[in-house]
Amino acid sequence: QVQLQESGPGLVKPSETLSLTCTVSGYSISSGYYWGWIRQPPGQGLEWIETFHHSGTTYHNPSLRSRVTTSVDTSKNQFSLKLSSVTAADTAIYYCARVVFTSKQIDYWGQGTLVTVSS
Amino acid sequence: DIQMTQSPSSLSASVGDRVSITCRASQSISKYLNWYQQRPGKAPKLLIYAASSLESGVPSRFSGSGSGTDFTLTISSLQPEDFATYYCQQSYGTPWTFGQGTKVEIK
Repeated sequence: QVQLQESGPGLVKPSETLSLTCTVSGYSISSGYYWGWIRQPPGQGLEWIETFHHSGTTYHNPSLRSRVTTSVDTSKNQFSLKLSSVTAADTAIYYCARVVFTSKQIDYWGQGTLVTVSS
Repeated sequence: DIQMTQSPSSLSASVGDRVSITCRASQSISKYLNWYQQRPGKAPKLLIYAASSLESGVPSRFSGSGSGTDFTLTISSLQPEDFATYYCQQSYGTPWTFGQGTKVEIK
């Protein structure tokens, strides 16, 4: 059974970098599929951040691209998100996910982790 | 960006009711349309992909239809566990975008 789990600080100061890690179990990241990040401000809708393949192909949300860095550690079966220069508008629940690229649906989601940007 | 507009934003219904939610894209997206259910405090769950394909393990009372710009999610007989918020998502062009959500509440 595929499971994803986000981890990282729940509080980040304005102007600093948000860093999250997604640990995948039940499936090897390097075996296929695409992977990605989605976020949801409290009480609001969903915003797609980025989707990538371990080979390096990446699809970005242009509104966040300049601040987003994604990395993959296949030896740990993990991938990570860094979002720089955060503001209060980046306060959200961050989800990591697996993406089926044929129709680009998100078939597995992590439980989500709330990151608050505040001094 | 492709804008996705859901209607209604919320609805009240009773157990056993037939419920339909619509999603309209700002341009044609062929059948690159997915539907998700989100219960409070939980991650979204995939229900329908490619506009009309039922995800494995999802009850058959859920169905999707449409192509181009207009899509519909239908729940044929609403069950207590179906009270949740539903989102559509287009995956035709980046950035992938979601509708604003439709909250299904108990009447």
